[in-house]
Amino acid sequence: GAVVSQHPSWVICKSGTSVKIECRSLDFQATTMFWYRQFPKQSLMLMATSNEGSKATYEQGVEKDKFLINHASLTLSTLTVTSAHPEDSSFYICSARDLLAGVVTQYFGPGTRLLVL
Amino acid sequence: GNSVTQMEGPVTLSEEAFLTINCTYTATGYPSLFWYVQYPGEGLQLLLKATKADDKGSNKGFEATYRKETTSFHLEKGSVQVSDSAVYFCALRTTQGAQKLVFGQGTRLTINP
Repeated sequence: GAVVSQHPSWVICKSGTSVKIECRSLDFQATTMFWYRQFPKQSLMLMATSNEGSKATYEQGVEKDKFLINHASLTLSTLTVTSAHPEDSSFYICSARDLLAGVVTQYFGPGTRLLVL
Repeated sequence: GNSVTQMEGPVTLSEEAFLTINCTYTATGYPSLFWYVQYPGEGLQLLLKATKADDKGSNKGFEATYRKETTSFHLEKGSVQVSDSAVYFCALRTTQGAQKLVFGQGTRLTINP
């Protein structure tokens, strides 16, 4: 089946640095990708929706200048956490939407755990 | 707004026990309903879905029925296995607008041999 990969799987960084997370759809083209954030024992919260070639749409309360999203191609979206701080520590999950024969299916990456010291 | 409420975990059962994980939702319109499963170290995978009232989704021995009257989509399995240990997420997707997935908080299931 379709696979979505994320890189890195985990990252530790110092406060004030920027971190880039990549999300790739491996065997399908995704015109739409999603970025979620998951806190321990909590649900996945949608951060933003990105469409290839256009600006991402951010959910209410998500700072677009803090979480930069680039959907440069049909198989790659990146999330950059700029000037990261300890409160940005979380589990980030991307998802890619596949539209085949009119059926919408959403595939998820394995997630990236970010720890900001 | 749209929301999903799941049975709180963690849930621990013995192998071959009967499983129920409750899920209720609030939504405008008629959403599609999903159960996703997340095995350790892996991404979420679609387990089953139902797109309209009274539909039953099933996969790998799991079942869930879309109950419009009770706004529920409870997950059931008659005899669980150790390999079913995972985190289970109930979710809805509206059929209009941006069609975003809204997730419940997840239920961690552990099956002991």
